[in-house]
Amino acid sequence: QKEVEQNSGPLSVPEGAIASLNCTYSDRVSQSFFWYRQYSGKSPELIMSIYSNGDKEDGRFTAQLNKASQYVSLLIRDSQPSDSATYLCAVNAGTYKYIFGTGTRLKVLA
Amino acid sequence: GAGVSQSPSNKVTEKGKDVELRCDPISGHTALYWYRQSLGQGLEFLIYFQGNSAPDKSGLPSDRFSAERTGGSVSTLTIQRTQQEDSAVYLCASSPTGAYEKLFFGSGTQLSVL
Repeated sequence: QKEVEQNSGPLSVPEGAIASLNCTYSDRVSQSFFWYRQYSGKSPELIMSIYSNGDKEDGRFTAQLNKASQYVSLLIRDSQPSDSATYLCAVNAGTYKYIFGTGTRLKVLA
Repeated sequence: GAGVSQSPSNKVTEKGKDVELRCDPISGHTALYWYRQSLGQGLEFLIYFQGNSAPDKSGLPSDRFSAERTGGSVSTLTIQRTQQEDSAVYLCASSPTGAYEKLFFGSGTQLSVL
């Protein structure tokens, strides 16, 4: 079993819709969770971090964490074509090692 | 510097040659990471440096790979006797202390082994 799993996609949503990206992880002691956005040919950049169960909102982005289910998600409201990218989920078990998923490719259709 | 700097941005080499990739982290960041990203794949952890501590080399795929970090700053990743399967983007990242934090990534080195 992979440590961090994501659906590779592509996930296609129309402009203005909500995009829902999901990630599951296997290490129960994981303590911090991150979503990175990676445009084609570019390096990853942090979108959201979340440490506690529940929702965390930042503008059009909401991260949701459920440690009991070992599940973290990212919602993007009012999706824009500029949101088209690969979204990487990363998990940290309280150490320095960040484990990344393979990413979900999002396409927002104009 | 303003961000993590990597060089070269692109490297084309012949199978069997050695290559050196350089990373200059953000000033003051004690944690430095090397990741590898193959086409369409996620980030594969290679090695981690934290200050003057011994590095975690657990992700290095073979003994052809080595890395060092001089003076707690600049790092060099060396791949000896390159193979075609080494072709990938090599990403360097740094963070202030290394735990619970955002990673700042460089723009990467695209390595192509012919």
